[in-house]
Amino acid sequence: AQSVTQLDSQVPVFEEAPVELRCNYSSSVSVYLFWYVQYPNQGLQLLLKYLSGSTLVKGINGFEAEFNKSQTSFHLRKPSVHISDTAEYFCAVNPQGGSEKLVFGKGTKLTVNP
Amino acid sequence: ETGVTQSPTHLIKTRGQQVTLRCSSQSGHNTVSWYQQALGQGPQFIFQYYREEENGRGNFPPRFSGLQFPNYSSELNVNALELDDSALYLCASSNTGELFFGEGSRLTVL
Repeated sequence: AQSVTQLDSQVPVFEEAPVELRCNYSSSVSVYLFWYVQYPNQGLQLLLKYLSGSTLVKGINGFEAEFNKSQTSFHLRKPSVHISDTAEYFCAVNPQGGSEKLVFGKGTKLTVNP
Repeated sequence: ETGVTQSPTHLIKTRGQQVTLRCSSQSGHNTVSWYQQALGQGPQFIFQYYREEENGRGNFPPRFSGLQFPNYSSELNVNALELDDSALYLCASSNTGELFFGEGSRLTVL
């Protein structure tokens, strides 16, 4: 079975500061990794995904994440955040070869303050 | 190309009642998955339908059931509602591995 731990439930930052949202996973098999964003009263939107290849993955809105197999981590980063990045961020895993049945973390609420 | 649409967006039920939630998948997508997102939690996988057949189920009791229709739209039915069923129910459709989510149906059970 897979599980996902998002280490911070809330992350407050100031506008234009860098941010890192942490995600660790456990799995007995190789996995695909995802980050989703959820704006208030909306569904989930895919930010980026790691399937294979380069461990540094670039996504939408200037976000990127690095897959670290030895540390079983997939931390999300952005060098300079905007007010509009305020949202809930979810890390998720799916076993490779699985049929899109994602296991999500509990989420990290990012609040960007002026 | 229309995205994933869900209805109703909000509804209120009382304990013991039954509810049906509906989802129209994105054009060309033959797989629909349902997730339950309780307040302050991440989404939890309920079940998935592929070409009208159930294709995997999470840790939910049998009173959670579903259907997929020939046009790949889907329904989630919950019988004998309990207070803990209050949540945002998300539908996602897919065809090539990436999930596309709707905005959800928020169910409140009183």
